Amino acid sequence: SAVISQKPSRDICQRGTSLTIQCQVDSQVTMMFWYRQQPGQSLTLIATANQGSEATYESGFVIDKFPISRPNLTFSTLTVSNMSPEDSSIYLCSVEGLVASVGAFFGQGTRLTVV
Amino acid sequence: KNEVEQSPQNLTAQEGEFITINCSYSVGISALHWLQQHPGGGIVSLFMLSSGKKKHGRLIATINIQEKHSSLHITASHPRDSAVYICAVSYSGGGADGLTFGKGTHLIIQP
Repeated sequence: SAVISQKPSRDICQRGTSLTIQCQVDSQVTMMFWYRQQPGQSLTLIATANQGSEATYESGFVIDKFPISRPNLTFSTLTVSNMSPEDSSIYLCSVEGLVASVGAFFGQGTRLTVV
Repeated sequence: KNEVEQSPQNLTAQEGEFITINCSYSVGISALHWLQQHPGGGIVSLFMLSSGKKKHGRLIATINIQEKHSSLHITASHPRDSAVYICAVSYSGGGADGLTFGKGTHLIIQP
């Protein structure tokens, strides 16, 4: 089964700063997905990261706030820029389609608190 | 936009009880996923199904495509089953569009 290593697992950041979250997959994948889970809410897709092209953002999310890099088929980063307390959430990366019977694999999540 | 509704939102049961969590969605999908999230935030995929029924250990997942409804059952529940169970759907095969998630069911199994 695929392994996704996500880091950091948690961080406490000052308002106005930026945090970059990394995800490393042990298999090559075409698409990686970045999700946000605000406190008490369900997961929401932020963007889809394709290698070799710009990420595709969902409604309500913009590249200036959540820049994404996808330098190769096993790695991606999500940056949360100019943070405010409203950005306090769990951020997760995910891949799909690696194992037909399982469907989706998720990173361990990054629990971000902005103070 | 597809809505994914789960019920109940919260469920507390005694060890050994049979647990059922329900999920309904509003438009056609390519697959439905049941996920488990533990307090630390990590998510594990339990099942992906597009028809019929799947079983893994004490967990059983069923889906009725015509009724746009799925259920997750836990037999002989145990305190270690305590977690948030999340239903999610995908619209396209091969994982092209990401997942749309329900709000989750908080399950507590008391010894």
